[in-house]
Amino acid sequence: DQQVKQNSPSLSVQEGRISILNCDYTNSMFDYFLWYKKYPAEGPTFLISISSIKDKNEDGRFTVFLNKSAKHLSLHIVPSQPGDSAVYFCAASEGLRSGSARQLTFGSGTQLTVLP
Amino acid sequence: DADVTQTPRNRITKTGKRIMLECSQTKGHDRMYWYRQDPGLGLRLIYYSFDVKDINKGEISDGYSVSRQAQAKFSLSLESAIPNQTALYFCATSDPTGVGTDTQYFGPGTRLTVL
Repeated sequence: DQQVKQNSPSLSVQEGRISILNCDYTNSMFDYFLWYKKYPAEGPTFLISISSIKDKNEDGRFTVFLNKSAKHLSLHIVPSQPGDSAVYFCAASEGLRSGSARQLTFGSGTQLTVLP
Repeated sequence: DADVTQTPRNRITKTGKRIMLECSQTKGHDRMYWYRQDPGLGLRLIYYSFDVKDINKGEISDGYSVSRQAQAKFSLSLESAIPNQTALYFCATSDPTGVGTDTQYFGPGTRLTVL
């Protein structure tokens, strides 16, 4: 069973509007979450992250929200730009507090298309 | 120049052939990883290595083997390729200095097709 789920395979948004990408997880031991962006023919690139001690992290146009009780995180992009069109993966890891070696578990990705 | 490189970028092979995918990095990171991406399944971890002497199996290691030749090089082998190993393969590195720094840096990927 997938521990990290992105239930929307695709999302289309008009340029200038807000894009909201969602991610749910089932493993309550996850304590660090990341978003990656992937363009065709390229590897995923790190976008933004959040630890479980926070509920929001912002970096420019990108904000990640974490709702631990609902085991849900979301990525907001405001304003959306055509160059944001890509596949977005959320990922999670556990063991933050112990400092032990950690692996990333990825969701299946959401294709975002920003329409001009 | 790219920090994480993968060779080849594309490969078509036949069932039963031995295939090696190579990954090199100039980031100076100790940790390296191999993933495969399949449609609808995201990225799944095959093997990872936290230093030259450390190799660990990931979620889907069956049918694969790896070699960490140096800090900068991590190779993935398919001893006898089969069609369901057709996928996009990614190498990644990370440098876990500090708390929560699980950020991994990915190579451009190798598209492997097994006929």
